[in-house]
This record gives sequence, structure tokens and C-alpha cells, in this order.
Amino acid sequence: AQTVTQSQPEMSVQEAETVTLSCTYDTSESDYYLFWYKQPPSRQMILVIRQEAYKQQNATENRFSVNFQKAAKSFSLKISDSQLGDAAMYFCAYRSGNFGNEKLTFGTGTRLTIIP
Amino acid sequence: DSGVTQTPKHLITATGQRVTLRCSPRSGDLSVYWYQQSLDQGLQFLIQYYNGEERAKGNILERFSAQQFPDLHSELNLSSLELGDSALYFCASSVGSSGGHQTQYFGPGTRLLVL
Repeated sequence: AQTVTQSQPEMSVQEAETVTLSCTYDTSESDYYLFWYKQPPSRQMILVIRQEAYKQQNATENRFSVNFQKAAKSFSLKISDSQLGDAAMYFCAYRSGNFGNEKLTFGTGTRLTIIP
Repeated sequence: DSGVTQTPKHLITATGQRVTLRCSPRSGDLSVYWYQQSLDQGLQFLIQYYNGEERAKGNILERFSAQQFPDLHSELNLSSLELGDSALYFCASSVGSSGGHQTQYFGPGTRLLVL
């Protein structure tokens, strides 16, 4: 079974600075997808960014980018120019590429605080 | 707004009771997933339906059941409720066809409190 580990329960960053959230995963599969979801105080789960394992290029979405190290099974999220609205729980998630096994396996989350 | 709707937003009930949570997927999505988020268990996959058929089952209790209707909305039924069932229940949907990233988009959740 796949597992996802987020070793940083809490992180904080000054507004406008850069912060990196860590995620590692364990799998024997070669085809899979990785996601970062954000959960603000409203508790809504919001997709931040997605990475396909077969792509060597790291995904980027505006101020959000990932560092995907497939061999090391590492998938960190970098948030640049942090804003107050970035304060939330961030969950790393794994999805198998196998048809019929499309569930998301989540890490335990990292609570990000933005310091004004 | 993800396009996934869930009702009700909040539900307060007593132990031993039965409740039904409803989810409408994004337009065009055939797959619906149910997840439970609790303080002690984190985010756990419960069950997936694809175009009316059960496709995958996770850590879903026997007291829980789900179905997906012809109009693709889904219902999660929770019976003989216990205090430990108090949690946030999410529905998510994806296109569901084979291949591709199949990104799941989440609804706002139903917060269940069992007293």
C-alpha cells in the first residue's frame, strides 16, 4: 500500500517570504500522480498543484511550484511571495495511475501560518 | 467554487440514528468519491462510484453504505451512528474515464456531529 508522509506538522513564514513544505511517499508503482491540496479555515479542500510522475519537469502554478524528486520519492511544495491568504492546512496526496485504483492517499498535513 | 455540491452543510444527530449525505458532482464527471476527515484518522477514502457502479472501497464501515443514481448524484448513508462517527465528510468528483490525471475536485463537505 502507498503511504504519504508530511513530517512538518506546522510551519510559519513571514509575509512576502518563501516557504517550502515537505512530502515524501512510498510506492512500488511507476505510474502515479501527486497533488497538493489546501484546506483554509473554511475547511474546503482546494487543489493547489498537480504533478504527473512521468513528467520530469516540475509543475508550477503562479506562486506555487513543486520540487519532484522521483528517485527520492519526494514532492515538496514551494510557496513564493507568501500572502496572508495562504494560511491553511496543506495536504500532500498520492493517486495511483492504475485504472480502478483512483483513490487519493493523503498525508497528515502541514499547518502553515503567515506572519504579517 | 469547485462545482461539487454537498448537502446538508451541517448535521447534528444522536447516537443510534441514521443520516443521509448527498453529493452532486461537477457537470460531466462520472466518478464520485467519499472521504472522511476526523481528528484521529485524518483524511480517509471511503468509497468510489463510477457511472452508477461501485468501483473501489476503502475503510468504510459496514454501517455505512453509498450509492450513485442515474443522474450521477450520490448519497452516503450512515446508520447506527456512534460518537466516533463525528467528522467532516467530503465528496469529490472526477471525470472518471480511464487514463489521465483524474484530478478530484472536492465539495464543501458535510460536518456531522453525533451527540
